[in-house]
Amino acid sequence: QVTLRESGPALVKPTQTLTLTCTFSGFSLSTSGMCVSWIRQPPGKALEWLARIDWDNDKYYGTSLKTRLTISKDTSKNQVVLTMTSMDPVDTATYYCARVSGSRYHFDYWGQGTLVTVSS
Amino acid sequence: EIVLTQSPGTLSLSPGERATLSCRASQSVTSSYLAWYQQKPGQAPRLLIYGASSRATGIPDRFSGSGSGTDFTLTISRLEPEDFAVYYCQQYVTSPGYTFGQGTKLEIK
Repeated sequence: QVTLRESGPALVKPTQTLTLTCTFSGFSLSTSGMCVSWIRQPPGKALEWLARIDWDNDKYYGTSLKTRLTISKDTSKNQVVLTMTSMDPVDTATYYCARVSGSRYHFDYWGQGTLVTVSS
Repeated sequence: EIVLTQSPGTLSLSPGERATLSCRASQSVTSSYLAWYQQKPGQAPRLLIYGASSRATGIPDRFSGSGSGTDFTLTISRLEPEDFAVYYCQQYVTSPGYTFGQGTKLEIK
């Protein structure tokens, strides 16, 4: 059974760095073809893909935020970490981690999401 | 960048009716790269359709996907009360990248 769970601060101040952790089970990021992504959703708005990390440690970022994002993995702990620098109130959103399908084309399992509010 | 435009923004129907949701891409999309998700309030999105027309595991057969090129459709043949939600289409583009449409809200009439 595949599960993913996001964790991190619920509130961050403007200019701070956000660190989110995705802890997953039911698959391994050391298995060839496995990938995990981060996706966010501002309140009442659409989904936005942020980043992906692959089993071979290749990393990919969405164009609009790539200068602020870093994705990494700890295979032994079954965790993927996302850091986002220079947080701003417009970054207030629910942040999801999701497993990328074997084809790499879509997201087949999602965490429940964690709401991050950026406010002073 | 390929933009996905979903229509209508809101669709008001009654249980038992047929729902047709549209997703139009600004450039041609490989069918294999097109997926649909359902999202209920306070929940994460759930994969419904991938490869434009393949149902994900556990998805009822009243959900179907079709289309090619720039025009894709999600059809719900007979609406059940639990089907009222927001639906998103999503596409994959090599680079890589993933983009989502802005969503269609399916509400009870």
